Amino acid sequence: DAGVIQSPRHEVTEMGQEVTLRCKPISGHDYLFWYRQTMMRGLELLIYFNNNVPIDDSGMPEDRFSAKMPNASFSTLKIQPSEPRDSAVYFCASSFRLPHRTDTQYFGPGTRLTVL
Amino acid sequence: GENVEQHPSTLSVQEGDSAVIKCTYSDSASNYFPWYKQELGKRPQLIIDIRSNVGEKKDQRIAVTLNKTAKHFSLHITETQPEDSAVYFCAAKSGGSQGNLIFGKGTKLSVKP
Repeated sequence: DAGVIQSPRHEVTEMGQEVTLRCKPISGHDYLFWYRQTMMRGLELLIYFNNNVPIDDSGMPEDRFSAKMPNASFSTLKIQPSEPRDSAVYFCASSFRLPHRTDTQYFGPGTRLTVL
Repeated sequence: GENVEQHPSTLSVQEGDSAVIKCTYSDSASNYFPWYKQELGKRPQLIIDIRSNVGEKKDQRIAVTLNKTAKHFSLHITETQPEDSAVYFCAAKSGGSQGNLIFGKGTKLSVKP
């Protein structure tokens, strides 16, 4: 398996522009997580899905952030409009809870977002 | 909700020495405690984990201990090597069967040759 795939790996955009980050979880995994990592705030959970359904989006910082999971193999995190303080590394992770209840989360390589 | 505190934030050791990183959690219902290692510019990767029905787990030079009564768990690295230098994150899983991981702030470990 190729592991969790994220695109793009790097994104540089200007303030006010829309940004879309993409994630393909490991095949067969039923949980998908979006994290944001900065030096100041560490690793923050933004939202996670179970079987394509959002379970907890309390970590989404503002209405400018939205996430979707239209099917088991694809998720997007969208920021509209983007602001300089959104600059961070965004990680996607997936896990497979049943039947082994492994709980192990596998992280993608991340998307480094820079908003100018 | 769950809160995870991790100490120290930075740790510097001499090659060959041991390193210990400690975490405390607040939710007594938490039942899964993984440790992740993140090298510079790379993704966090699981190095060891422990469930609440076990007090200690070891994998070569790495061990994790869990004290459910005190609600703390620790990562022990023996015979440290320069390639152990990285940021280490502890986490605790709360919220029942659909719960998520709550991560500590991380410990930057530097192993000096």
